[in-house]
Amino acid sequence: DTAVSQTPKYLVTQMGNDKSIKCEQNLGHDTMYWYKQDSKKFLKIMFSYNNKELIINETVPNRFSPKSPDKAHLNLHINSLELGDSAVYFCASSQTGSGNTIYFGEGSWLTVV
Amino acid sequence: GQQVMQIPQYQHVQEGEDFTTYCNSSTTLSNIQWYKQRPGGHPVFLIQLVKSGEVKKQKRLTFQFGEAKKNSSLHITATQTTDVGTYFCAGPRGGADGLTFGKGTHLIIQP
Repeated sequence: DTAVSQTPKYLVTQMGNDKSIKCEQNLGHDTMYWYKQDSKKFLKIMFSYNNKELIINETVPNRFSPKSPDKAHLNLHINSLELGDSAVYFCASSQTGSGNTIYFGEGSWLTVV
Repeated sequence: GQQVMQIPQYQHVQEGEDFTTYCNSSTTLSNIQWYKQRPGGHPVFLIQLVKSGEVKKQKRLTFQFGEAKKNSSLHITATQTTDVGTYFCAGPRGGADGLTFGKGTHLIIQP
């Protein structure tokens, strides 16, 4: 069974569209994340979400909105997509607390044209 | 905020040569972790170091944590094509959940 699964794996869309990426984890973790990996492979945290508490990385545009229906799911909705949003988005989870091991999903390759 | 610096950004080696990547933090770390990302894949946890001066081995991989717990290294002996990928170090985010990742070292192996 896949521990952290996200869909879709590939997404090509036009500028200005709205899109969502879904994520589910079956590890029983209380904390989930969205990380963005750019073309240079830099991994940056966008959001962490723990038991209904959302921690926002203040550098993330408000066009990005995470939604968590329960602790096993954390979806990412993106409004008004821009060319610069093209990247790989990784969902991840961990036990709650600083410095715990992170388990990543397989990634969603977003290309905005 | 806490920063984790990693060098080199790229490393080309001939198959069979050794490889080392270095990680430095601006602050003392409670632990440091290493991840490997294969081309087209996702980061996968390799190991966690907790103690000052700790050394751990996984087959041809040797991981070290500095005495001051501010630096770490990953050394691969006799690289193989299966070692290709990007190696990331990561440290705690200073009280917040999650990890801060270094920029990664891309290991390219020439047969």
